[in-house]
Amino acid sequence: RKEVEQDPGPFNVPEGATVAFNCTYSNSASQSFFWYRQDCRKEPKLLMSVYSSGNEDGRFTAQLNRASQYISLLIRDSKLSDSATYLCVVRGFYGGSQGNLIFGKGTKLSVKP
Amino acid sequence: GAVVSQHPSRVICKSGTSVKIECRSLDFQATTMFWYRQFPKQSLMLMATSNEGSKATYEQGVEKDKFLINHASLTLSTLTVTSAHPEDSSFYICSASSGSLNEQYFGPGTRLTVT
Repeated sequence: RKEVEQDPGPFNVPEGATVAFNCTYSNSASQSFFWYRQDCRKEPKLLMSVYSSGNEDGRFTAQLNRASQYISLLIRDSKLSDSATYLCVVRGFYGGSQGNLIFGKGTKLSVKP
Repeated sequence: GAVVSQHPSRVICKSGTSVKIECRSLDFQATTMFWYRQFPKQSLMLMATSNEGSKATYEQGVEKDKFLINHASLTLSTLTVTSAHPEDSSFYICSASSGSLNEQYFGPGTRLTVT
């Protein structure tokens, strides 16, 4: 099982739609979770951290379910500018210490007019 | 926010030559720098982690003699791809951290094409 798995995508949605991305991680000891956004041929950029209680940033809502080892990202009222690849990222935790960031393959979102 | 630059942004080289990529933290001191590689439609894969003034720690499967990493100062790390081959063609991205492992800032990446 891969350490971080995401919906394969691509997701093609019209402007204004609500879209949800899912992600699962294999290391139950992981403690830090993030969603990054990566535009074509660019570096990834932090979109938001994911907290246990769930958190919202404008149109973006992230949820974490530790029992299921599941992370989600919800985008409401999607804009053309939301078109990108969304990366689920987990910080590894090994031997009692935080490890490095582990990236999922990403889910491509294309928002159409 | 913290800014990380990479140079060059794109490089084309011939097989057998070496290529050096620079990663700089412009407005903060980076105690740790990370080098990633991303092949098309694949996830970012960590190649190595380097702390200023010490040897880099390479991930399993990454040849340390082929990918030379130097982190001589708190603002600069370099990755040298030695004797590059076409299969080394990829998008190389660095990131830098100031110490709190919960924040990493990514450079814009370097696209390497080996012909």
